[in-house]
Amino acid sequence: ETGVTQSPTHLIKTRGQQVTLRCSSQSGHNTVSWYQQALGQGPQFIFQYYREEENGRGNFPPRFSGLQFPNYSSELNVNALELDDSALYLCASSLSPDQETQYFGPGTRLLVL
Amino acid sequence: GNSVTQMEGPVTLSEEAFLTINCTYTATGYPSLFWYVQYPGEGLQLLLKATKADDKGSNKGFEATYRKETTSFHLEKGSVQVSDSAVYFCALSAYNTDKLIFGTGTRLQVFP
Repeated sequence: ETGVTQSPTHLIKTRGQQVTLRCSSQSGHNTVSWYQQALGQGPQFIFQYYREEENGRGNFPPRFSGLQFPNYSSELNVNALELDDSALYLCASSLSPDQETQYFGPGTRLLVL
Repeated sequence: GNSVTQMEGPVTLSEEAFLTINCTYTATGYPSLFWYVQYPGEGLQLLLKATKADDKGSNKGFEATYRKETTSFHLEKGSVQVSDSAVYFCALSAYNTDKLIFGTGTRLQVFP
């Protein structure tokens, strides 16, 4: 059984640029959630995708957007990058939106200069 | 709103010492409670969970009991090992949702 994978592992961007992060969910999981983990902090919920539709969103501005594909993989897009967007971005998958156990990928570390 | 409060770290222990990491929560209704562990350079791994009051989650020698009366879910281990050194996150999910709300994490350092 393949776990949750994310790419790239590290990324450096400059302020104002756009970035796309990718996530492949665990086999059989149709729900993907994205979290932002700033240095020294706990992860913060960005949004969740279920069957290619957004299914809940945290307190993040619209420049954070996402997609989910028919194979349940997902992308997180961030436009107009700001310095404070520097963080570890974690993707988690679950069997369905009301399944409480989420399985996390290793994350993508984004540095905005 | 829902929130999780953890004791601040780092927690520094010698090998074979007893570990307690405190976690309290605020939530409407009856949330599910989790402990996740993050090893250096890695993502989060589910350590244990409890879904209702008085449930005890356990895994790899770690335990935590869901205490509704004190709104707590303290993590304990009787004898820590150097390999337990990591950051531990307490989290909750509200009823019928899997959106997780995390505490700020507690770093555990175990020395031989």
